[in-house]
Amino acid sequence: QQPVQSPQAVILREGEDAVINCSSSKALYSVHWYRQKHGEAPVFLMILLKGGEQKGHDKISASFNEKKQQSSLYLTASQLSYSGTYFCGTLIIQGAQKLVFGQGTRLTINP
Amino acid sequence: DAGVIQSPRHEVTEMGQEVTLRCKPISGHDYLFWYRQTMMRGLELLIYFNNNVPIDDSGMPEDRFSAKMPNASFSTLKIQPSEPRDSAVYFCASSLGFGGNQPQHFGDGTRLSIL
Repeated sequence: QQPVQSPQAVILREGEDAVINCSSSKALYSVHWYRQKHGEAPVFLMILLKGGEQKGHDKISASFNEKKQQSSLYLTASQLSYSGTYFCGTLIIQGAQKLVFGQGTRLTINP
Repeated sequence: DAGVIQSPRHEVTEMGQEVTLRCKPISGHDYLFWYRQTMMRGLELLIYFNNNVPIDDSGMPEDRFSAKMPNASFSTLKIQPSEPRDSAVYFCASSLGFGGNQPQHFGDGTRLSIL
């Protein structure tokens, strides 16, 4: 039931673009995206809801494809500060509802 | 505003000892979550509370783990007896509501090492 993220790791030069995918075998109700820097807590980025919604946060945006049970995070013109590990969390409902996180995608931005 | 506060930040103890981790959620938040993060298993939900009541503890690994929330501003996660495989970073998070559109706010975590 854990969502699968791809790629596991990516290395970019500053200014390049990146896409991180999050796929689930279960029906998606919502997808949460977080970024965690080394030794720090995960920090909330955005939430995507059912309906193919696309959201943006600075030069970071995301989409939600309910039919494909997938969400993608887009990082445009990456900055050094974007480095970190990105996690998607999918809301599942099995009796109680819970947020299940993917294994993370490590993003490294080099100057 | 103060975020989620966890203590201690680091804990090193010997196998068999009791360990207590503490969490103060953001004031007004009605949901509190305990997560464990390891390289092998990633970020796992252990248990969560709504209005101080445990809702789902299916992620608690075994009876050695217990969690309480005696009031809206305090929660503990206890491990007794501790084992080396319990070494991990333990995060507490809180949210206002839970479901599709409520973000979770994480504390800085407790890095636990069991020798």
